[in-house]
Amino acid sequence: ETGVTQTPRHLVMGMTNKKSLKCEQHLGHNAMYWYKQSAKKPLELMFVYSLEERVENNSVPSRFSPECPNSSHLFLHLHTLQPEDSALYLCASSPYATGETYEQYFGPGTRLTVT
Amino acid sequence: AQSVAQPEDQVNVAEGNPLTVKCTYSVSGNPYLFWYVQYPNRGLQFLLKYITGDNLVKGSYGFEAEFNKSQTSFHLKKPSALVSDSALYFCAVRDDDSWGKLQFGAGTQVVVTP
Repeated sequence: ETGVTQTPRHLVMGMTNKKSLKCEQHLGHNAMYWYKQSAKKPLELMFVYSLEERVENNSVPSRFSPECPNSSHLFLHLHTLQPEDSALYLCASSPYATGETYEQYFGPGTRLTVT
Repeated sequence: AQSVAQPEDQVNVAEGNPLTVKCTYSVSGNPYLFWYVQYPNRGLQFLLKYITGDNLVKGSYGFEAEFNKSQTSFHLKKPSALVSDSALYFCAVRDDDSWGKLQFGAGTQVVVTP
């Protein structure tokens, strides 16, 4: 396993629920990412944080709300989701988001099912 | 924008045989290329990267990749496949955005049979 952890690993929620996904990296990195992985689709980058500042938001619906309180923690707050939001949500980190071509290190993901 | 293509949805190979997973790229500048592997119910694991230098890049678990500029390819190879290599493999290229966003391919499922 990498130094990136995600909780919970599995989540089932109704469309009216509010839940949060948590990601923590123990690698001393300064950039963190949220990806969505759906069946038969390439990974979709959702959000990027660099030094706790959001630097990218790939036209993600407002029902997804990220939060990065410090460089080690990243949250994805979920509310009023749709069934098509069911997917594997992956968190990743890298030393920096700019400059060098650092590889990203991924967590195991949260399998989200919206009923 | 930069992109990668993985032309094969699935590759089947017998254990002990050579394994090749194909990737082609399209970039406007210098390519920075990566390979990742995803085992069932796991996140992506970094295998190797090409930034500059030697065209043959060696990575984790006995994998290597060959960068070919004229063919704009970055194929992943392993001389002798193991059943445990069965997984989903992703090629990625660094986007030309200033903060180095990775653009992933659709993935290739590798199935190694005993």
